[in-house]
Amino acid sequence: DQQVKQNSPSLSVQEGRISILNCDYTNSMFDYFLWYKKYPAEGPTFLISISSIKDKNEDGRFTVFLNKSAKHLSLHIVPSQPGDSAVYFCAASGGSGNTPLVFGKGTRLSVIA
Amino acid sequence: DAGVTQSPTHLIKTRGQHVTLRCSPISGHKSVSWYQQVLGQGPQFIFQYYEKEERGRGNFPDRFSARQFPNYSSELNVNALLLGDSALYLCASSHPGLEGLREQYFGPGTRLTVT
Repeated sequence: DQQVKQNSPSLSVQEGRISILNCDYTNSMFDYFLWYKKYPAEGPTFLISISSIKDKNEDGRFTVFLNKSAKHLSLHIVPSQPGDSAVYFCAASGGSGNTPLVFGKGTRLSVIA
Repeated sequence: DAGVTQSPTHLIKTRGQHVTLRCSPISGHKSVSWYQQVLGQGPQFIFQYYEKEERGRGNFPDRFSARQFPNYSSELNVNALLLGDSALYLCASSHPGLEGLREQYFGPGTRLTVT
């Protein structure tokens, strides 16, 4: 049973436009959420995170929104650039002490020039 | 500053053999976690170590074991390899702090192929 779901396996966006990647979770114990970007033959790179006490966090072109009541978060990339083309993973953790990350299956973003 | 390093980068083993994967965390990071990523899936948690003690274990058989050394580097061992163990094995480190343990920084991974 998947606790973190990324229902769109792929997304194509024009350069300069907004990319919106979505993620849903089922476990109410999750209270910290992260987005990672992964290029082929590399490990995931940490992008941005958000605690459940917030509903928005911004870092440059990247913004993460959290809707706790809907158990939904999204990553917005504005403006999208060709170098953003990669697989994006949503991850969640919860509870104190043991903090393993639970990952979604990823969304492949293609930014077309 | 060097990121998380892992060795080897690629490895081919035969069913039934044993494998040891190694990881060095970012300097100052005291927690190391191991993840397995199979094709088309997100990384799946195997182990977490903090200050040389096991702090968490995922749903993996006892053939998987790990340890953390005094310098915070870590080894993942897999015995009696099966074809299904073929995957990318990722090591991640994190630093102390309010949310530090949750923000994990990954190495490039070790690609294990079992034939």
